[in-house]
Amino acid sequence: KQEVTQIPAALSVPEGENLVLNCSFTDSAIYNLQWFRQDPGKGLTSLLLIQSSQREQTSGRLNASLDKSSGRSTLYIAASQPGDSATYLCAATADSGNTPLVFGKGTRLSVIA
Amino acid sequence: GAVVSQHPSWVICKSGTSVKIECRSLDFQATTMFWYRQFPKQSLMLMATSNEGSKATYEQGVEKDKFLINHASLTLSTLTVTSAHPEDSSFYICSARTGGSSYNEQFFGPGTRLTVL
Repeated sequence: KQEVTQIPAALSVPEGENLVLNCSFTDSAIYNLQWFRQDPGKGLTSLLLIQSSQREQTSGRLNASLDKSSGRSTLYIAASQPGDSATYLCAATADSGNTPLVFGKGTRLSVIA
Repeated sequence: GAVVSQHPSWVICKSGTSVKIECRSLDFQATTMFWYRQFPKQSLMLMATSNEGSKATYEQGVEKDKFLINHASLTLSTLTVTSAHPEDSSFYICSARTGGSSYNEQFFGPGTRLTVL
């Protein structure tokens, strides 16, 4: 059964810093991996989706990488801003692609102005 | 992009009453819908998977008689929390997947916050 782990659980950085959030998964036979953002009391905002055949995806200041062999994904945020403060969730599906996303517990990010 | 809506966005009810939450895919047909639950400062936990026209598949530990799921059409799934109790207070999020997506991407609703007094 797929298990997703995210470290650190919480992170506080000054504005302008580049940062990396880590995600690991136990079953390397994944179909795709997604990163989401969740603001307090709100729903999920999809940030990036990486298919199993891809190694990375980029959107603006965000870059997500995927290394299936090591069971890891990272989310890189460049030039962080206070508006980036939120919880970032990593989720993966199993190889068949028909199974639901399994979520990590998230990393709670605070960007201090 | 694909849009999923949920109604209501929040609900407060008395203990012992039943609450129905609707999940709709607005611009695509969802062959599969998922219901997740999220407690404060916790991650999303899958409750059940439902395919249109068939019975839902519940995760271990989720009572199917308490959390009734109906997926009668390709654009609508409902979750009914029967005889709700304070411990059922949580954030309920649905997601939908179209069988036509090559990425098998799941699209998420905005969530429903349930508070049981």
